[in-house]
Amino acid sequence: GAVVSQHPSWVICKSGTSVKIECRSLDFQATTMFWYRQFPKQSLMLMATSNEGSKATYEQGVEKDKFLINHASLTLSTLTVTSAHPEDSSFYICSARQGSVSSNQPQHFGDGTRLSIL
Amino acid sequence: AQSVAQPEDQVNVAEGNPLTVKCTYSVSGNPYLFWYVQYPNRGLQFLLKYITGDNLVKGSYGFEAEFNKSQTSFHLKKPSALVSDSALYFCAALPMDTGRRALTFGSGTRLQVQP
Repeated sequence: GAVVSQHPSWVICKSGTSVKIECRSLDFQATTMFWYRQFPKQSLMLMATSNEGSKATYEQGVEKDKFLINHASLTLSTLTVTSAHPEDSSFYICSARQGSVSSNQPQHFGDGTRLSIL
Repeated sequence: AQSVAQPEDQVNVAEGNPLTVKCTYSVSGNPYLFWYVQYPNRGLQFLLKYITGDNLVKGSYGFEAEFNKSQTSFHLKKPSALVSDSALYFCAALPMDTGRRALTFGSGTRLQVQP
């Protein structure tokens, strides 16, 4: 149980285009979802936290207008990288959890999306 | 600021030997502590967690971790390493004294098990 599906797993696109990444919880209701970014050989950096039906809370230094997060249902969150540029190339990982932002429930992770901007 | 430290970028061990991957934390309150493993181009897989109780926690694939409150450490251990254990390991802490609870990760340690 507790499966998180992330799609696509790999995307290559031209500079200036927008890319949408989907994160779905397949067998549980994900009240809270998290988006992380991971640079090569580095740790996961939290980008934002979102509650279903609410606006996402972004970490310091993360551009809200650049990384649009939508968490419209209890099983789906999307991250849209708008007007992507080569410096946005990275590995993006979503995580989902039952319960609210203050919940003690474990976080479950998707398999990540490797984004390459040419 | 909350932080998790993994002092070793890489740990090399021979197959069959015991392994230890170190983790220390600087997180307020009594955080929950976790270990995750990541294989290439994949997300994170949960190994084990410490919430309270016995300082030695047993997890998946024969891994265990020892919690030491006085040293604020949570080292990952395995009595006998396998080549298939080679992967990237992350220690993480979940603060319990704040309203917004998200995992804070260490920098990761690459474990290389040689045949």
